[in-house]
Amino acid sequence: QQQVKQSPQSLIVQKGGISIINCAYENTAFDYFPWYQQFPGKGPALLIAIRPDVSEKKEGRFTISFNKSAKQFSLHIMDSQPGDSATYFCAAKAYNFNKFYFGSGTKLNVKP
Amino acid sequence: KAGVTQTPRYLIKTRGQQVTLSCSPISGHRSVSWYQQTPGQGLQFLFEYFSETQRNKGNFPGRFSGRQFSNSRSEMNVSTLELGDSALYLCASSLMAKDNEQFFGPGTRLTVL
Repeated sequence: QQQVKQSPQSLIVQKGGISIINCAYENTAFDYFPWYQQFPGKGPALLIAIRPDVSEKKEGRFTISFNKSAKQFSLHIMDSQPGDSATYFCAAKAYNFNKFYFGSGTKLNVKP
Repeated sequence: KAGVTQTPRYLIKTRGQQVTLSCSPISGHRSVSWYQQTPGQGLQFLFEYFSETQRNKGNFPGRFSGRQFSNSRSEMNVSTLELGDSALYLCASSLMAKDNEQFFGPGTRLTVL
């Protein structure tokens, strides 16, 4: 049973465009929702994270939108750059457990 | 401050063998988690250790085991290797158990022939 569902599997965006990646979860005990960025040959790196008491969080060109009632959250990358080309993972975690459930990943390719 | 280090970075084994992977967390971090990453299954949680005790365990067979030492360094062991064990094994550390922020190492790429 996949706890966190992520879409799309791959995404091609032109430089300067907006990249949008979506995730959905089922477990209402989740209370922390991070996004990770992974480049080939590297481990995932924390990009931005949100807790369910806010609906949006912005850090630079990266924004998380969170819809608690729909149990969905998404990552928006504004003014996408070729250097953003990487695989992005959403994840979720419940407070009581230091166990992260990851989405299946989205491979983003930003065309110059 | 040095990041999470994992050794070895690459490993080739044959079916039936066993393997031990090592992880050194960020200095001061006491919680270490292990993940298996494959193209088909994505990132899957293996187990988490804090203060030398396994606190959480994922849904993997008993061939996968781990331990943590008093200096917070951790090892994971896979016995009787199968072809399907070929994966990138990632270690992540956090300051305390139940911490939200995890820092991942570069991983160990295991290939089973």
